[in-house]
Amino acid sequence: GEDVEQSLFLSVREGDSSVINCTYTDSSSTYLYWYKQEPGAGLQLLTYIFSNMDMKQDQRLTVLLNKKDKHLSLRIADTQTGDSAIYFCAETPGGYNKLIFGAGTRLAVHP
Amino acid sequence: GAGVSQTPSNKVTEKGKYVELRCDPISGHTALYWYRQSLGQGPEFLIYFQGTGAADDSGLPNDRFFAVRPEGSVSTLKIQRTERGDSAVYLCASSLTYGTGTTFQETQYFGPGTRLLVL
Repeated sequence: GEDVEQSLFLSVREGDSSVINCTYTDSSSTYLYWYKQEPGAGLQLLTYIFSNMDMKQDQRLTVLLNKKDKHLSLRIADTQTGDSAIYFCAETPGGYNKLIFGAGTRLAVHP
Repeated sequence: GAGVSQTPSNKVTEKGKYVELRCDPISGHTALYWYRQSLGQGPEFLIYFQGTGAADDSGLPNDRFFAVRPEGSVSTLKIQRTERGDSAVYLCASSLTYGTGTTFQETQYFGPGTRLLVL
């Protein structure tokens, strides 16, 4: 079946790195996405990774993909208070054009 | 427009009433999607359109929910005989193209959502 799981909460100190983890079930997903949701706002596409890649770096963001374990992670370097939000991992099961989301990880950044 | 827009931003209605939620996709995007996000959950897929036709409506919870996209641009999600359990944020997304989720042109961009409260 289709299922995406994430830890629900992460608290980090400003300036530290944050790592948000996600596991998914459908190995045929071609793209895996990270979306960010701030209070009262819609979902903002943060980054994505193509399934034939192991790693993707985009400024302060690093995405790691372990296809064997169906594990995806998002690392945010030098985390700032503006990074406080809910982060959603999403997959697109093969043959379908819909996103399957996890429940989201709430990132809290404190001084 | 610059992004996906949704109206109204908030809607309060009474149990049993009919509501319509509107979505304006990014100009030129051919695919449009509706999701529902309950409190503390991730978005759940409802329906998606390729042009004017509903390509996949497998996520609609029951026949009280219906969506249209008559001219292949703006879409309206319609909910009849609303129930308290329908309270959620309804999100709309659009993508440049549609297919099997295997090209980046199918990346979905989301609107701010409509917060529906059924009393």
